[in-house]
Amino acid sequence: GAVVSQHPSWVICKSGTSVKIECRSLDFQATTMFWYRQFPKQSLMLMATSNEGSKATYEQGVEKDKFLINHASLTLSTLTVTSAHPEDSSFYICSARDRRGPYSNQPQHFGDGTRLSIL
Amino acid sequence: AQKVTQAQTEISVVEKEDVTLDCVYETRDTTYYLFWYKQPPSGELVFLIRRNSFDEQNEISGRYSWNFQKSTSSFNFTITASQVVDSAVYFCALSEASDRGSTLGRLYFGRGTQLTVWP
Repeated sequence: GAVVSQHPSWVICKSGTSVKIECRSLDFQATTMFWYRQFPKQSLMLMATSNEGSKATYEQGVEKDKFLINHASLTLSTLTVTSAHPEDSSFYICSARDRRGPYSNQPQHFGDGTRLSIL
Repeated sequence: AQKVTQAQTEISVVEKEDVTLDCVYETRDTTYYLFWYKQPPSGELVFLIRRNSFDEQNEISGRYSWNFQKSTSSFNFTITASQVVDSAVYFCALSEASDRGSTLGRLYFGRGTQLTVWP
């Protein structure tokens, strides 16, 4: 079945560091990818929608200069947390939308997530 | 406005008990899609089911069953003869069709229900 690879799965770094998270669709083309953030014991909140070859669409309240998204190809989107601080510590999950859309049982395929801890 | 409500924050049962997880949704679209996902402690999202708004048939898959009631905007999930391995957070989610009606939009997640099954 379709697989989305998210890397790294775990990151611990110092405050002020920039961290890049990759999301790859391994066996299908994903014109659209989504980035979610999940705080402990909370729901998944959509941060932004990433479309291949164009600028990402950010949800209200999400700083686009803080969370840089690049979707340079049909199989790769990256999220860079710039100058990360402890409050950015969270679980980040990407998903890739299957181009088959409604004809696919799983219209979005999720990566396994990245646990980001900023010291 | 909250689109997906999972009123049960935490549920604890003893193994072999049946348990029902509630999900109530809100949408103005006539075409929409409902999902259930399982999130074990490791964090990845496991797709369980997708239901189209025009298909009100209930579904059974092994120990899992889903009851879709458009009249009450509910999409409840029942696990029969629960097992310890069922312990996880379960998310209900809604996706609305785009204006063109052919493309699935973003996913709106409920807050999740933490299910703990004790041996």
